[in-house]
Amino acid sequence: GQNIDQPTEMTATEGAIVQINCTYQTSGFNGLFWYQQHAGEAPTFLSYNVLDGLEEKGRFSSFLSRSKGYSYLLLKELQMKDSASYLCAVRGPGGGYNKLIFGAGTRLAVHP
Amino acid sequence: ETGVTQTPRHLVMGMTNKKSLKCEQHLGHNAMYWYKQSAKKPLELMFVYSLEERVENNSVPSRFSPECPNSSHLFLHLHTLQPEDSALYLCASSTTSGAVYEQYFGPGTRLTVT
Repeated sequence: GQNIDQPTEMTATEGAIVQINCTYQTSGFNGLFWYQQHAGEAPTFLSYNVLDGLEEKGRFSSFLSRSKGYSYLLLKELQMKDSASYLCAVRGPGGGYNKLIFGAGTRLAVHP
Repeated sequence: ETGVTQTPRHLVMGMTNKKSLKCEQHLGHNAMYWYKQSAKKPLELMFVYSLEERVENNSVPSRFSPECPNSSHLFLHLHTLQPEDSALYLCASSTTSGAVYEQYFGPGTRLTVT
């Protein structure tokens, strides 16, 4: 079956670092995406990992371990505007388009 | 602005109504997607069109009927819906070449079925 797990909610303090974990069990793997979604808005692309290791992009980094079926999103120097839901999504096999399986999302609340 | 627009943004319809959701992308992409997002549930992929051909239909009930007249436009025709169909319906687009196929989402249509 297809299963993607991430924590439902997290809280953190402005200026701190937070790590959002995602574990997956899927039939086929062709990359993992992280999206950010503010309440009432469209999801926006944050990162894509297809090989093991860490990808850094400004304050955000994403890590992948394919052997463990595990990824995390690391947010540094948290700001109030980082309060949002963070969606982990695995891309299934096939080419020419995305067949993404999403987790339920992690709602992050950043407090002063 | 993400380059993907959806209309209407909000829709309230009765179970016997027929309505359509519209999506338009201005990014030159040639794959388009419909997703359903219910409260506290994962985004569910409903339909995928690649090069104007439907390539995915994830066991969606026939009361939802997609249409893709060209690579820039996507419709979702709705008829005889059920209250459990109330949700946020998101459209997305992506390229069909390259390695990442990053998807760009529209703002969604908030649908309420009464």
